[in-house]
Amino acid sequence: AQTVTQSQPEMSVQEAETVTLSCTYDTSESDYYLFWYKQPPSRQMILVIRQEAYKQQNATENRFSVNFQKAAKSFSLKISDSQLGDAAMYFCAYSFSTSGTYKYIFGTGTRLKVLA
Amino acid sequence: GAGVSQSPSNKVTEKGKDVELRCDPISGHTALYWYRQSLGQGLEFLIYFQGNSAPDKSGLPSDRFSAERTGGSVSTLTIQRTQQEDSAVYLCASSFGYASYNEQFFGPGTRLTVL
Repeated sequence: AQTVTQSQPEMSVQEAETVTLSCTYDTSESDYYLFWYKQPPSRQMILVIRQEAYKQQNATENRFSVNFQKAAKSFSLKISDSQLGDAAMYFCAYSFSTSGTYKYIFGTGTRLKVLA
Repeated sequence: GAGVSQSPSNKVTEKGKDVELRCDPISGHTALYWYRQSLGQGLEFLIYFQGNSAPDKSGLPSDRFSAERTGGSVSTLTIQRTQQEDSAVYLCASSFGYASYNEQFFGPGTRLTVL
């Protein structure tokens, strides 16, 4: 079964500090994509960062970076210099194509609190 | 508009009634997705459309759920004979093209409460 696991329901970080959110997934696919989405209290989800599984280099977007360990099926998100606006639910997601269709699987999310 | 819009933003209904949830994707986006987000749960994938067709309906939780898309644009998710367990936030997303690497742009969701 294809699953995405986020083992941290809630995390807290001090403003300006660094925090890492964990995500593991289970797959038998060799080619797939991984995503981190952010859902602020306004509820509108936005893409934070994306990683292609065939790329070994970890993706980076400004203060956001990932640690992609394909063999371990791990895809953690690091947020550097945390800001109050980073407070949100963060969802790890995984997508792949199969039999001419596409599947998207999301984890249960991690709520990040940023402390001033 | 510039983003994905959904209506209504909130819907309260009585058990057994039918509801329709609407999604307006970003203009030009060919792929459209429906998800359900229950309290404390992740996003549950329901269905996606490539143009007006849905190649995979296996995510729909029961035959009370149906969805359609017309003109490659607006989509409607219909829930018949609603049950209390249908209470959730229903999210719609769209993307430019249908490929597993495409970024999905999400709407604000419809919060459905079944009394």
